[in-house]
Amino acid sequence: KAGVTQTPRYLIKTRGQQVTLSCSPISGHRSVSWYQQTPGQGLQFLFEYFSETQRNKGNFPGRFSGRQFSNSRSEMNVSTLELGDSALYLCASSLRQGVNEKLFFGSGTQLSVL
Amino acid sequence: DQQVKQNSPSLSVQEGRISILNCDYTNSMFDYFLWYKKYPAEGPTFLISISSIKDKNEDGRFTVFLNKSAKHLSLHIVPSQPGDSAVYFCALQRAGNTPLVFGKGTRLSVIA
Repeated sequence: KAGVTQTPRYLIKTRGQQVTLSCSPISGHRSVSWYQQTPGQGLQFLFEYFSETQRNKGNFPGRFSGRQFSNSRSEMNVSTLELGDSALYLCASSLRQGVNEKLFFGSGTQLSVL
Repeated sequence: DQQVKQNSPSLSVQEGRISILNCDYTNSMFDYFLWYKKYPAEGPTFLISISSIKDKNEDGRFTVFLNKSAKHLSLHIVPSQPGDSAVYFCALQRAGNTPLVFGKGTRLSVIA
């Protein structure tokens, strides 16, 4: 079974631009979560989608948005990029939504904002 | 306000010895406690978990201990192996459809 696939693997953007990251979950998984990892802050929750609906949202500005498609694939978008948005963005999928559901992470998209 | 703290950014242990990674939390509402391991250039992978009704869970060389009164979680790796060198994150979850809250991670180096 293929794992969680994130594209692109690396991305370089300049301040003010926007970016779209893509995530394909494990086949059959309906829940997709996004996390931002920075060296000083660890993994911070961005949002979670289940059956195309956003179920949870972290404490990030409105410049960060996402969506989930009917095939469970998900995208996240960051508009008006800032230097502080440079981070590893991780997508994770799980079979269901709920407590103690094991998350399966992709390898991430490393975003650098210059 | 940091709900989950991993106070040791790094830990170095000799091969064959015990590795103990610690995690402290402030919110007594957490019900599930997990550990994830992350190698460079890879996403985190699930290692072991424990629910709040237990105080110990064992899986091979890995044991997680939960002390609810102290709001303290620890992961023991015995014996440590060089392949265990990675960043370890504790992750906590409340009941209901709530997201995992991660610590900042501890980098474990197992020296041969």
